[in-house]
Amino acid sequence: TQLLEQSPQFLSIQEGENLTVYCNSSSVFSSLQWYRQEPGEGPVLLVTVVTGGEVKKLKRLTFQFGDARKDSSLHITAAQPGDTGLYLCAGKSNNNDMRFGAGTRLTVKP
Amino acid sequence: DAGITQSPRHKVTETGTPVTLRCHQTENHRYMYWYRQDPGHGLRLIHYSYGVKDTDKGEVSDGYSVSRSKTEDFLLTLESATSSQTSVYFCAIRRTSGNTDTQYFGPGTRLTVL
Repeated sequence: TQLLEQSPQFLSIQEGENLTVYCNSSSVFSSLQWYRQEPGEGPVLLVTVVTGGEVKKLKRLTFQFGDARKDSSLHITAAQPGDTGLYLCAGKSNNNDMRFGAGTRLTVKP
Repeated sequence: DAGITQSPRHKVTETGTPVTLRCHQTENHRYMYWYRQDPGHGLRLIHYSYGVKDTDKGEVSDGYSVSRSKTEDFLLTLESATSSQTSVYFCAIRRTSGNTDTQYFGPGTRLTVL
C-alpha cells in the first residue's frame, strides 16, 4: 500500500485543456514536493510546499497543499505537449523520512 | 544540475552475479540516497548515507549493500542479483536551503537481471 496515493495514474488530454492531479495520504507531512520526470531521466523538482493551505504558482502550474497537510493537488492550465511526463509527489515526515507516490503519467496530445 | 552522475547507465546481467552501481557527486553533499523505481510503486528508498562510512537502511534494503569511502562516491552492490532486482536505480543528494530539504536526482541506471 502506497503511503501517498496519486490519482489518476494515467491522464491523456488534448493541448489547451486544463487538468488537476491529486496526491493524498492519511499521514501528515512537514512538507510536500512535486517532481516531474521525463523518460530516461531522473525526477526534477518543481515546487516545495510547507504550510497548510499554501498555494504556489509556477507559470501555468498551480500547486496547493491541503489545510491538514495530508494532501496536495497540481493544476495545469492550458496544457501543452511539453507538459508530458510523470508527475510525482513526495511527502516528508517529521522524522525526515521522504516517501514518494507512484506518480501520474500525463500525455498532452498536440 | 546538482553534478550527479551514475554509472553504468544501462546493464544487463544474469541471475546470481554480483553487480555494483556507482553514484558520483561533485558538490560535497553529506547526504546521498539510492532508490529503485518500478511501475506502480514509485521511488522506494534502498539505502542512504549521512557521511563517509555512515549508512543506514531504507524501505527495501534486502539484497542490497552500500559503501561510502569518499564523500563524492556512493556505491550500491547487489551481491547476487535476482530477477526481482530488475529496475531503474536512481541516486540522489540532499541540498538544504533554510529549513527546506530538496533531493536532486541522477540520470538513473537501468538494470536488467535475466
